[in-house]
Amino acid sequence: NAGVMQNPRHLVRRRGQEARLRCSPMKGHSHVYWYRQLPEEGLKFMVYLQKENIIDESGMPKERFSAEFPKEGPSILRIQQVVRGDSAAYFCASSPRTDRRELFFGEGSRLTVL
Amino acid sequence: DQQVKQNSPSLSVQEGRISILNCDYTNSMFDYFLWYKKYPAEGPTFLISISSIKDKNEDGRFTVFLNKSAKHLSLHIVPSQPGDSAVYFCAARRNAGNMLTFGGGTRLMVKP
Repeated sequence: NAGVMQNPRHLVRRRGQEARLRCSPMKGHSHVYWYRQLPEEGLKFMVYLQKENIIDESGMPKERFSAEFPKEGPSILRIQQVVRGDSAAYFCASSPRTDRRELFFGEGSRLTVL
Repeated sequence: DQQVKQNSPSLSVQEGRISILNCDYTNSMFDYFLWYKKYPAEGPTFLISISSIKDKNEDGRFTVFLNKSAKHLSLHIVPSQPGDSAVYFCAARRNAGNMLTFGGGTRLMVKP
């Protein structure tokens, strides 16, 4: 199965800890997007990356959140010093190129902050 | 600033009847629209899309209609089946970017 792979599927952290969410795009896809879904809400764009580059981070909170997509390995969304309001489902999506309009989503990582 | 809105949080339909899900947008720079379907604990899956140069796109039981002057699109599912029960998200793409802006979703329940 060459779908978008996210791990962990579920992550529990205490306030103040760090959360790292990983995303491996579909084979042949070099564009990665991170979205967040808060309870009972829609998906909110966070960041768009290509290999080794952040293209658009207009949806990222200014503090504590960072994302990378290294030359080798998965994309990582990092949340430092988590707070209860960070509890959400974080979805990664990928596409093969910019002219491909639909995005292919992973199953998400559900972060719970105690 | 909700640029894409789905005003009905839920919709209940009898099996075999038509389901109509609605979506409104405010940004005239959007040039491509998509519908995604999401089951609980899964990621969204692409369903159907439409370019702003068209007013209708059909794929099997699913048809999307676009009214640019009203900045409105709708998804028609006919006939509805119990397996269609899910949350449906409308999404839009700007012509000068690659990321999608999503609506808040509509939960469709198809009763047998």
